[in-house]
Amino acid sequence: GESVGLHLPTLSVQEGDNSIINCAYSNSASDYFIWYKQESGKGPQFIIDIRSNMDKRQGQRVTVLLNKTVKHLSLQIAATQPGDSAVYFCAVGDTGRRALTFGSGTRLQVQP
Amino acid sequence: EAGVAQSPRYKIIEKRQSVAFWCNPISGHATLYWYQQILGQGPKLLIQFQNNGVVDDSQLPKDRFSAERLKGVDSTLKIQPAKLEDSAVYLCASSLSTYRYEQYFGPGTRLTVT
Repeated sequence: GESVGLHLPTLSVQEGDNSIINCAYSNSASDYFIWYKQESGKGPQFIIDIRSNMDKRQGQRVTVLLNKTVKHLSLQIAATQPGDSAVYFCAVGDTGRRALTFGSGTRLQVQP
Repeated sequence: EAGVAQSPRYKIIEKRQSVAFWCNPISGHATLYWYQQILGQGPKLLIQFQNNGVVDDSQLPKDRFSAERLKGVDSTLKIQPAKLEDSAVYLCASSLSTYRYEQYFGPGTRLTVT
């Protein structure tokens, strides 16, 4: 089955800096990748997604990069703000199973 | 647009008791998911419905967990009897269909089993 791992359980950055959160997956058949943000006491909130036919996608202050060769994706947050403090999960899906497998999450701490 | 609704938000029970959680998905969403999120971990899929049919329940501990979505809208997840290791947040999510990956999550129910 699919396994999804994040490289760092906690990431601490200064306000205004750029943040990069990394994720690795195992199944080469995975074709959909999504990042969620989860604040304390809330359910995961969609941030950005990317399909396997792309290697980069940009949103508002966020960019997702996908490297299928090494099965790695990353979430970049520009000009990190205190409101970005949360746990970030990557999730991976494949056409066959039509379900998402989540990683264990990276806690982003933004220092003022 | 109203989001996914869940109740109760918190529940404390003793082991061997039973408990039920309720979920109302976003209007028009055919696919509904129940996840279990243990503290410090990512959500783990328990069961997936497409309308009122089960698509995937391979990770549902069927000896104690059950779920239903009788009219293809609301859903309930039940645990009977509960064990200490069932302490977790139970998240409900919905999506337009099985072929749309974007899932929208409710706030979750935090279950504590003592």
